[in-house]
Amino acid sequence: GAGVSQSPSNKVTEKGKDVELRCDPISGHTALYWYRQSLGQGLEFLIYFQGNSAPDKSGLPSDRFSAERTGGSVSTLTIQRTQQEDSAVYLCASSLAHGGGVYNEQFFGPGTRLTVL
Amino acid sequence: AQKITQTQPGMFVQEKEAVTLDCTYDTSDPSYGLFWYKQPSSGEMIFLIYQGSYDQQNATEGRYSLNFQKARKSANLVISASQLGDSAMYFCAMRLNNFNKFYFGSGTKLNVKP
Repeated sequence: GAGVSQSPSNKVTEKGKDVELRCDPISGHTALYWYRQSLGQGLEFLIYFQGNSAPDKSGLPSDRFSAERTGGSVSTLTIQRTQQEDSAVYLCASSLAHGGGVYNEQFFGPGTRLTVL
Repeated sequence: AQKITQTQPGMFVQEKEAVTLDCTYDTSDPSYGLFWYKQPSSGEMIFLIYQGSYDQQNATEGRYSLNFQKARKSANLVISASQLGDSAMYFCAMRLNNFNKFYFGSGTKLNVKP
Protein backbone atom coordinates (compact mmCIF):
# COMPACT_ATOMS: atom_id res chain seq x y z
CA GLY A 1 0.00 0.00 0.00
CA ALA A 2 0.94 3.65 -0.17
CA GLY A 3 3.31 5.07 2.39
CA VAL A 4 3.22 8.42 4.13
CA SER A 5 3.18 11.27 1.65
CA GLN A 6 4.04 14.91 2.17
CA SER A 7 3.59 17.96 0.04
CA PRO A 8 5.18 20.04 -1.19
CA SER A 9 8.56 18.33 -1.31
CA ASN A 10 10.26 21.71 -1.39
CA LYS A 11 9.02 25.13 -0.38
CA VAL A 12 10.87 28.40 -0.73
CA THR A 13 9.22 31.40 0.87
CA GLU A 14 10.01 34.91 1.93
CA LYS A 15 10.42 35.93 5.52
CA GLY A 16 7.10 36.97 7.01
CA LYS A 17 4.92 34.81 4.75
CA ASP A 18 2.72 31.98 5.99
CA VAL A 19 3.25 28.41 4.80
CA GLU A 20 1.19 25.23 4.97
CA LEU A 21 2.74 21.78 4.88
CA ARG A 22 0.60 18.73 4.26
CA CYS A 23 0.89 15.14 5.43
CA ASP A 24 -1.14 12.15 4.27
CA PRO A 25 -0.57 9.26 6.69
CA ILE A 26 -0.89 5.59 5.92
CA SER A 27 -4.54 4.58 5.84
CA GLY A 28 -5.66 3.23 9.18
CA HIS A 29 -2.83 4.77 11.18
CA THR A 30 -4.33 6.64 14.11
CA ALA A 31 -1.11 8.23 15.34
CA LEU A 32 0.50 11.08 13.42
CA TYR A 33 3.67 12.97 14.30
CA TRP A 34 5.41 16.09 13.03
CA TYR A 35 9.14 16.59 13.47
CA ARG A 36 11.60 19.24 12.40
CA GLN A 37 15.14 18.42 11.33
CA SER A 38 17.64 21.19 10.82
CA LEU A 39 20.64 20.51 8.60
CA GLY A 40 22.84 17.83 10.13
CA GLN A 41 20.79 17.70 13.29
CA GLY A 42 18.50 15.20 14.99
CA LEU A 43 14.73 15.12 14.97
CA GLU A 44 12.93 17.75 17.00
CA PHE A 45 9.44 16.67 18.06
CA LEU A 46 6.76 19.22 17.23
CA ILE A 47 3.29 17.75 17.69
CA TYR A 48 1.54 14.39 18.00
CA PHE A 49 -2.03 13.40 17.18
CA GLN A 50 -3.60 10.19 18.48
CA GLY A 51 -7.08 9.38 17.25
CA ASN A 52 -9.65 11.82 18.58
CA SER A 53 -7.63 12.78 21.63
CA ALA A 54 -6.33 16.29 22.15
CA PRO A 55 -2.97 16.62 20.39
CA ASP A 56 0.29 16.82 22.28
CA LYS A 57 1.58 20.24 21.26
CA SER A 58 4.45 20.34 23.72
CA GLY A 59 7.09 20.53 21.01
CA LEU A 60 5.79 23.50 19.05
CA PRO A 61 8.53 26.15 19.29
CA SER A 62 6.28 29.21 19.23
CA ASP A 63 2.70 30.32 18.70
CA ARG A 64 3.52 30.88 15.03
CA PHE A 65 3.32 27.11 14.64
CA SER A 66 0.03 25.24 14.58
CA ALA A 67 -1.25 21.96 13.23
CA GLU A 68 -4.54 20.29 12.67
CA ARG A 69 -5.71 16.90 11.61
CA THR A 70 -9.00 16.68 9.81
CA GLY A 71 -11.14 13.57 9.97
CA GLY A 72 -8.41 11.65 11.72
CA SER A 73 -6.40 11.47 8.53
CA VAL A 74 -4.70 14.32 6.68
CA SER A 75 -2.72 16.81 8.74
CA THR A 76 -1.59 20.34 7.97
CA LEU A 77 1.26 22.09 9.73
CA THR A 78 1.02 25.87 9.45
CA ILE A 79 3.84 28.29 10.13
CA GLN A 80 2.81 31.92 10.28
CA ARG A 81 5.12 34.87 9.68
CA THR A 82 8.02 32.59 8.78
CA GLN A 83 11.50 33.40 10.02
CA GLN A 84 14.84 32.31 8.59
CA GLU A 85 15.40 30.00 11.56
CA ASP A 86 12.31 28.05 10.48
CA SER A 87 14.31 26.72 7.52
CA ALA A 88 14.53 22.95 7.97
CA VAL A 89 13.13 19.66 6.76
CA TYR A 90 9.72 18.96 8.24
CA LEU A 91 9.05 15.25 8.60
CA CYS A 92 5.72 13.60 9.16
CA ALA A 93 5.30 10.05 10.47
CA SER A 94 2.38 7.81 11.25
CA SER A 95 1.89 4.61 13.19
CA LEU A 96 -0.81 2.28 14.38
CA ALA A 97 -2.02 2.76 17.92
CA HIS A 98 -0.06 0.63 20.32
CA GLY A 99 -1.50 -2.26 22.22
CA GLY A 100 -1.61 -6.01 22.54
CA GLY A 101 2.12 -6.33 22.89
CA VAL A 102 2.64 -5.32 19.29
CA TYR A 103 5.22 -2.71 18.67
CA ASN A 104 4.23 -0.02 16.26
CA GLU A 105 7.06 1.60 14.41
CA GLN A 106 6.71 4.97 12.83
CA PHE A 107 6.61 5.19 9.08
CA PHE A 108 8.10 8.41 7.84
CA GLY A 109 7.24 10.53 4.86
CA PRO A 110 9.90 11.97 2.56
CA GLY A 111 9.75 15.36 4.25
CA THR A 112 9.20 18.92 3.11
CA ARG A 113 12.32 21.03 2.78
CA LEU A 114 11.42 24.58 3.81
CA THR A 115 13.70 27.47 2.94
CA VAL A 116 12.90 30.92 4.26
CA LEU A 117 14.75 33.68 2.46
CA ALA B 1 11.35 13.22 31.89
CA GLN B 2 12.36 10.93 29.06
CA LYS B 3 15.70 11.34 27.33
CA ILE B 4 17.74 9.56 24.68
CA THR B 5 21.49 10.13 24.46
CA GLN B 6 23.78 9.28 21.57
CA THR B 7 27.28 10.34 22.52
CA GLN B 8 29.02 9.62 19.21
CA PRO B 9 28.34 12.39 16.68
CA GLY B 10 30.49 10.57 14.10
CA MET B 11 32.01 7.14 13.63
CA PHE B 12 34.29 5.52 11.08
CA VAL B 13 34.47 1.81 10.35
CA GLN B 14 36.35 -0.24 7.83
CA GLU B 15 34.25 -2.14 5.33
CA LYS B 16 33.46 -5.71 6.48
CA GLU B 17 34.17 -4.92 10.11
CA ALA B 18 31.59 -4.68 12.89
CA VAL B 19 30.66 -1.40 14.54
CA THR B 20 28.71 -0.49 17.68
CA LEU B 21 26.65 2.68 17.89
CA ASP B 22 25.88 3.75 21.44
CA CYS B 23 22.51 4.73 22.85
CA THR B 24 21.50 5.33 26.44
CA TYR B 25 18.05 6.26 27.63
CA ASP B 26 16.40 7.57 30.72
CA THR B 27 12.88 6.82 31.87
CA SER B 28 11.16 5.78 35.06
CA ASP B 29 8.42 4.02 33.13
CA PRO B 30 8.91 0.23 33.10
CA SER B 31 7.11 -0.31 29.81
CA TYR B 32 8.76 1.07 26.71
CA GLY B 33 10.17 0.20 23.32
CA LEU B 34 13.49 1.09 21.76
CA PHE B 35 13.96 1.68 18.04
CA TRP B 36 16.82 2.33 15.67
CA TYR B 37 16.38 4.21 12.41
CA LYS B 38 18.77 4.80 9.53
CA GLN B 39 18.75 8.03 7.54
CA PRO B 40 20.83 7.96 4.35
CA SER B 41 21.85 11.15 2.60
CA SER B 42 18.61 10.93 0.60
CA GLY B 43 16.79 11.91 3.81
CA GLU B 44 14.35 9.04 4.22
CA MET B 45 14.03 7.44 7.64
CA ILE B 46 14.31 3.66 7.56
CA PHE B 47 13.27 1.49 10.49
CA LEU B 48 15.95 -1.05 11.42
CA ILE B 49 15.22 -2.85 14.66
CA TYR B 50 13.05 -2.86 17.78
CA GLN B 51 13.56 -3.98 21.38
CA GLY B 52 10.78 -4.13 23.96
CA SER B 53 11.57 -3.43 27.60
CA TYR B 54 10.22 -6.83 28.63
CA ASP B 55 11.96 -8.79 25.90
CA GLN B 56 14.29 -11.38 27.38
CA GLN B 57 16.50 -11.72 24.33
CA ASN B 58 18.37 -9.15 22.32
CA ALA B 59 16.71 -8.29 19.04
CA THR B 60 18.37 -9.24 15.77
CA GLU B 61 17.49 -8.36 12.19
CA GLY B 62 19.96 -9.65 9.63
CA ARG B 63 23.24 -7.80 10.14
CA TYR B 64 21.70 -5.60 12.84
CA SER B 65 21.53 -6.59 16.49
CA LEU B 66 20.61 -4.60 19.54
CA ASN B 67 22.75 -5.01 22.65
CA PHE B 68 20.10 -4.34 25.30
CA GLN B 69 21.37 -3.83 28.83
CA LYS B 70 18.33 -2.87 30.84
CA ALA B 71 20.06 -2.21 34.15
CA ARG B 72 22.46 0.17 32.44
CA LYS B 73 19.67 1.64 30.31
CA SER B 74 21.62 1.15 27.14
CA ALA B 75 20.47 -0.07 23.74
CA ASN B 76 23.49 -0.13 21.48
CA LEU B 77 23.16 -1.03 17.81
CA VAL B 78 25.67 -3.49 16.42
CA ILE B 79 26.16 -3.66 12.68
CA SER B 80 28.15 -6.68 11.56
CA ALA B 81 30.12 -6.94 8.33
CA SER B 82 29.74 -3.25 7.47
CA GLN B 83 28.98 -2.33 3.89
CA LEU B 84 29.53 0.94 2.05
CA GLY B 85 25.76 1.35 1.89
CA ASP B 86 25.64 1.48 5.68
CA SER B 87 27.09 4.99 5.58
CA ALA B 88 24.28 7.14 7.00
CA MET B 89 22.93 8.85 10.09
CA TYR B 90 21.59 6.49 12.73
CA PHE B 91 18.99 7.52 15.28
CA CYS B 92 17.99 5.78 18.47
CA ALA B 93 14.44 6.36 19.69
CA MET B 94 12.28 5.39 22.63
CA ARG B 95 8.52 5.13 22.95
CA LEU B 96 6.65 4.77 26.20
CA ASN B 97 4.03 2.12 25.66
CA ASN B 98 1.35 4.08 27.47
CA PHE B 99 1.75 7.22 25.43
CA ASN B 100 2.89 6.29 21.93
CA LYS B 101 5.11 9.38 21.78
CA PHE B 102 8.63 8.91 20.44
CA TYR B 103 11.80 10.49 21.78
CA PHE B 104 14.82 10.65 19.46
CA GLY B 105 18.53 10.94 20.12
CA SER B 106 20.72 13.42 18.26
CA GLY B 107 22.07 10.76 15.93
CA THR B 108 25.41 9.22 14.95
CA LYS B 109 26.88 9.71 11.51
CA LEU B 110 28.51 6.48 10.37
CA ASN B 111 31.07 6.45 7.58
CA VAL B 112 32.13 3.10 6.16
CA LYS B 113 35.57 3.22 4.53
CA PRO B 114 36.47 0.95 1.59
